[in-house]
Amino acid sequence: DQQVKQNSPSLSVQEGRISILNCDYTNSMFDYFLWYKKYPAEGPTFLISISSIKDKNEDGRFTVFLNKSAKHLSLHIVPSQPGDSAVYFCAASGIGNQFYFGTGTSLTVIP
Amino acid sequence: EAGVVQSPRYKIIEKKQPVAFWCNPISGHNTLYWYRQNLGQGPELLIRYENEEAVDDSQLPKDRFSAERLKGVDSTLKIQPAELGDSAVYLCASSPSRLAGGPLFGPGTRLTVL
Repeated sequence: DQQVKQNSPSLSVQEGRISILNCDYTNSMFDYFLWYKKYPAEGPTFLISISSIKDKNEDGRFTVFLNKSAKHLSLHIVPSQPGDSAVYFCAASGIGNQFYFGTGTSLTVIP
Repeated sequence: EAGVVQSPRYKIIEKKQPVAFWCNPISGHNTLYWYRQNLGQGPELLIRYENEEAVDDSQLPKDRFSAERLKGVDSTLKIQPAELGDSAVYLCASSPSRLAGGPLFGPGTRLTVL
């Protein structure tokens, strides 16, 4: 049973515009959420995280929003750049060091 | 700070052959993970170590997979015998503690079983 879901397998955005990647989770015990970015032939790279005590965390062009009541989080990239083209995974954690990953969204930023 | 090191990067074997993957985590990281990633999927946990103790191996196919973490540092994941369905990328990751950041991944080993 997939506890973390990314329902959009792919997304295309023009350079300079906003990219919004979405993630839903089912386990209400999750309290820590992360986004990873993955280039081909490389391991996932940690991008940004958010604790459930917050509803927003920002790091440069990347902002993660958390809606606990909807069990939904999103990653906003503004402005999008061609180098942002990659697969993005969201992950969630509850008690302990267990992390559950979504299936990923492939982002293409068109120059 | 050096990242997670994995070897080999690529491995091609015939079915029924054994294979082993090695991982050196980031220095000081007590938690070590082995994940498997199939094409088009997210990483799925195989086993998690806290220091030298395997604390979560519920998803490890124990009939053919084994793992060890020597002295709470390096780790080895072994498959014997390999099956066609084992073709995947095997990712090692480490982390210091929860809420200090999630798993930090190595480059992975791409296994192809023919």
